Amino acid sequence: DTAVSQTPKYLVTQMGNDKSIKCEQNLGHDTMYWYKQDSKKFLKIMFSYNNKELIINETVPNRFSPKSPDKAHLNLHINSLELGDSAVYFCASSQDWGQGYGNTIYFGEGSWLTVV
Amino acid sequence: SQKIEQNSEALNIQEGKTATLTCNYTNYSPAYLQWYRQDPGRGPVFLLLIRENEKEKRKERLKVTFDTTLKQSLFHITASQPADSATYLCALLFTGGGNKLTFGTGTQLKVEL
Repeated sequence: DTAVSQTPKYLVTQMGNDKSIKCEQNLGHDTMYWYKQDSKKFLKIMFSYNNKELIINETVPNRFSPKSPDKAHLNLHINSLELGDSAVYFCASSQDWGQGYGNTIYFGEGSWLTVV
Repeated sequence: SQKIEQNSEALNIQEGKTATLTCNYTNYSPAYLQWYRQDPGRGPVFLLLIRENEKEKRKERLKVTFDTTLKQSLFHITASQPADSATYLCALLFTGGGNKLTFGTGTQLKVEL
């Protein structure tokens, strides 16, 4: 069973379009994340939700909107896509938000977004 | 702001040797440090965690050291195998940093026969 699954894996779309990436975790974790990995392999957090509540919102354009219908799902919607949005987007989860468990992050396989 | 540096150049070593990767950070000390492995086209996978009050952690052929004075962590793979070839990322959680895990850019390791 895949622990953190995200769809689609590959997405090629034109500038100006709106697209969504879906994510689900079956680990029973309370916290979920979206990370962006650019062409230089730099992995940067975008958002984090804890029990459906937004707790981290990095400096991300408001064209990016996460939605967490329940604690097992965290979707990412992107409006008016731009060339610079091309990257790999990783969904991830961790057991909780505190430091007690070391906050080990479990990543999905990534969604490769290419904006043309 | 915090800066995490890993060797940007790929590390090529021979099978059977010990691979040593470095992770340096600036400014504040982290509450803990983690190492992840990332294969091409895959998501990062957690390997080891070491806390600020720990000097060394081991797991099978892996060893991590943490020197808060030098602000450095070393990641060792002993008896390296071609299957160890991957990119290795260090990640730090800084106290007071809002519980955000900050990743380095990773070092690519290639183990040759």
